[in-house]
Amino acid sequence: GEDVEQSLFLSVREGDSSVINCTYTDSSSTYLYWYKQEPGAGLQLLTYIFSNMDMKQDQRLTVLLNKKDKHLSLRIADTQTGDSAIYFCAELNSNSGYALNFGKGTSLLVTP
Amino acid sequence: DAGITQSPRHKVTETGTPVTLRCHQTENHRYMYWYRQDPGHGLRLIHYSYGVKDTDKGEVSDGYSVSRSKTEDFLLTLESATSSQTSVYFCAISGGQGYTGELFFGEGSRLTVL
Repeated sequence: GEDVEQSLFLSVREGDSSVINCTYTDSSSTYLYWYKQEPGAGLQLLTYIFSNMDMKQDQRLTVLLNKKDKHLSLRIADTQTGDSAIYFCAELNSNSGYALNFGKGTSLLVTP
Repeated sequence: DAGITQSPRHKVTETGTPVTLRCHQTENHRYMYWYRQDPGHGLRLIHYSYGVKDTDKGEVSDGYSVSRSKTEDFLLTLESATSSQTSVYFCAISGGQGYTGELFFGEGSRLTVL
């Protein structure tokens, strides 16, 4: 099937903003998600956005959704070393028991 | 944190042996999922369950079977493990339709097949 696409690596300096981009496949997806995975751990939900929204802000996180281009982005303001992790974009797949289709993940490295 | 427990957390086995991974939830969620995570592939869906005794295949189901005899338990079985099944396996749960659809993940089970 078609893939959810993400860039694989991003490196930023502490205090800068990080922007992670994603292109999803299903224009009928009702929800889109961002997950964070720290080494050796499971995935944690960071935030999600409903498809009728263009933007969602949650503290340091801003999600932008462009439905026309099927493009999703996650901006992390004032990035900290503790933000170093893998970030996954995901879309809801209502055809597979409401499973999520994940991108391959973006490894974010925050340097001091 | 959602109450999801995976066992075992780590297992090393030999090619051709059967392996069963267990996922136990205390949230009474209807939907349960097994994913595998491999470098360069992200997370891929193996099987999912939408209720007791109701299961279906995901994207990479070959070589795997599942069972769900109780709401709280979802078992993943490799009947005859192969080296290509060396991976980290994640269980996830969801309330499904009517919720916002997010999945809650367990901590993962690392399987090595020699």
